[in-house]
Amino acid sequence: DSGVTQTPKHLITATGQRVTLRCSPRSGDLSVYWYQQSLDQGLQFLIQYYNGEERAKGNILERFSAQQFPDLHSELNLSSLELGDSALYFCASGQSYNEQFFGPGTRLTVL
Amino acid sequence: TQLLEQSPQFLSIQEGENLTVYCNSSSVFSSLQWYRQEPGEGPVLLVTVVTGGEVKKLKRLTFQFGDARKDSSLHITAAQPGDTGLYLCAGTLQGAQKLVFGQGTRLTINP
Repeated sequence: DSGVTQTPKHLITATGQRVTLRCSPRSGDLSVYWYQQSLDQGLQFLIQYYNGEERAKGNILERFSAQQFPDLHSELNLSSLELGDSALYFCASGQSYNEQFFGPGTRLTVL
Repeated sequence: TQLLEQSPQFLSIQEGENLTVYCNSSSVFSSLQWYRQEPGEGPVLLVTVVTGGEVKKLKRLTFQFGDARKDSSLHITAAQPGDTGLYLCAGTLQGAQKLVFGQGTRLTINP
């Protein structure tokens, strides 16, 4: 158990819809990282928040957004969903960017 | 084009055999990490190497960071079925503060 929690575990939705994924970091970690893992692209960094502020951006689409709240939990919002957005979405937290602890992931299926 | 190339992509061997997985790049990394991921779960951090030429051991697993900090290897001695999983290398480019992942090596150890 990494100490990072993610909800929901599974999410099935239709194209064009909007979903919100939730992550709670390990106790004491101020940074939250979001990743997308698909079969053809592997694990891709999306975005990092540190203590409520956006710190780094990766290959995140404009249809996707994230935020980190004062209690340090984070949400990843995915809108106008497309079939290609089906993937595993992971949240990670850690004291430094080169030592990250991953949550169990949310499996998103867009039909 | 993957910044980190892992080889082999798939490896299936018998219990008790030794194996080596490689992670190569033409870029210099300030640190490299190895993760193991099991189906339906998030990646689990195994080790971080930061110094060129560094060797770290974790029971039957030996990790090496190349002298030029462009490559890394993972050697498993006397593999066991419990070693089965997806092994991912990840690195931080010098001056960057995000992880880039290799495509992974899917390892199967047959009893």
